[in-house]
Amino acid sequence: DGGITQSPKYLFRKEGQNVTLSCEQNLNHDAMYWYRQDPGQGLRLIYYSQIVNDFQKGDIAEGYSVSREKKESFPLTVTSAQKNPTAFYLCASSAGARGKNIQYFGAGTRLSVL
Amino acid sequence: GQNIDQPTEMTATEGAIVQINCTYQTSGFNGLFWYQQHAGEAPTFLSYNVLDGLEEKGRFSSFLSRSKGYSYLLLKELQMKDSASYLCAFLKAGNNRKLIWGLGTSLAVNP
Repeated sequence: DGGITQSPKYLFRKEGQNVTLSCEQNLNHDAMYWYRQDPGQGLRLIYYSQIVNDFQKGDIAEGYSVSREKKESFPLTVTSAQKNPTAFYLCASSAGARGKNIQYFGAGTRLSVL
Repeated sequence: GQNIDQPTEMTATEGAIVQINCTYQTSGFNGLFWYQQHAGEAPTFLSYNVLDGLEEKGRFSSFLSRSKGYSYLLLKELQMKDSASYLCAFLKAGNNRKLIWGLGTSLAVNP
């Protein structure tokens, strides 16, 4: 089955700790995205990548880092510099410039601070 | 600049029809998307409009007027499972293929 897999489903971070959220897709999509969603809020773009080995900052990139070494994978690291990391993190992918840019989402990771 | 607006909350009755409106302002436009998001879950794609007019897909239809910067999602024969948040988003024209998202409309379907 083709799809987007995010792991873990729940994650807890201690003060001063970096944590990494995994996102893998087997849809052969060029573009991948990371969003953050807070309760009652819309989706806010953290980082996005339109092609392997390239990525751009979104609207709220501070305190986060990403890499795109493989087409299938786009991990997000929440660093200790992110002072309010508790949120629902969503990864998405799309065919990018080859298609309509319909974004398909993984099931999400809920991050909480201990 | 760019902006997108949709009502925060709506309520409707099972079996009825509901229309969720979305207005947007942008200097470049490459399509309008609707997503459904149930509480605690990820958004799922519902519809895409790039040309003016109505796109019908089962009980759901989406309409676009580019000249008015306006779209709506029409849900017919409402079911309890349609209770969810409905997100409107548009794709900016240009090389940075980002979606600009509305805050979502929370729809409650009552028996």
